[in-house]
Amino acid sequence: KNQVEQSPQSLIILEGKNCTLQCNYTVSPFSNLRWYKQDTGRGPVSLTIMTFSENTKSNGRYTATLDADTKQSSLHITASQLSDSASYICVVSAGTALIFGKGTTLSVSS
Amino acid sequence: DTAVSQTPKYLVTQMGNDKSIKCEQNLGHDTMYWYKQDSKKFLKIMFSYNNKELIINETVPNRFSPKSPDKAHLNLHINSLELGDSAVYFCASSLEVWPGGNTIYFGEGSWLTVV
Repeated sequence: KNQVEQSPQSLIILEGKNCTLQCNYTVSPFSNLRWYKQDTGRGPVSLTIMTFSENTKSNGRYTATLDADTKQSSLHITASQLSDSASYICVVSAGTALIFGKGTTLSVSS
Repeated sequence: DTAVSQTPKYLVTQMGNDKSIKCEQNLGHDTMYWYKQDSKKFLKIMFSYNNKELIINETVPNRFSPKSPDKAHLNLHINSLELGDSAVYFCASSLEVWPGGNTIYFGEGSWLTVV
């Protein structure tokens, strides 16, 4: 069964700190993995898309990693800002289907 | 300048009513989608259209009927609304029918509350 599991479910950090969000998947056939950021009351916005051959991809202070062997991905946020408070959703493409994780809710406090 | 726009943003209605949510994209994409996000924030695809043709129809009650007058528009009509239909509905679009490596652009969501 295709599944995407994210951890932790929620996370609270202080402004300026770094954090790492995890995504484990059991999806076949694997096409690519995406990270989305969803602000409260808004639609999801794409952060990165990674294919099988990509290990690391950065978008500003966001760095995603992918280990296709262990079927794990992480999203690292550097020097967090209050505006990083949001839900982060991991999405894995399985052929023509998209499998969504339930997201990690990040709260950045001052 | 909004890439994917949907209206209304908020909708409160009584059980049994019929309502529609409209969606338009100005990105020139061929494919549009409707997603449902429940109270647990879990996104599930409902429908996918490519150039006005239905591509994906997940297990969704017949009360939900999408309509695509042209490839830039995908409207969602819901008949006989039930309490369980309360959710956030997201319209989205992508360049090609198979997501592949294409970015999916989401609208801002329509908050539907059935009372």
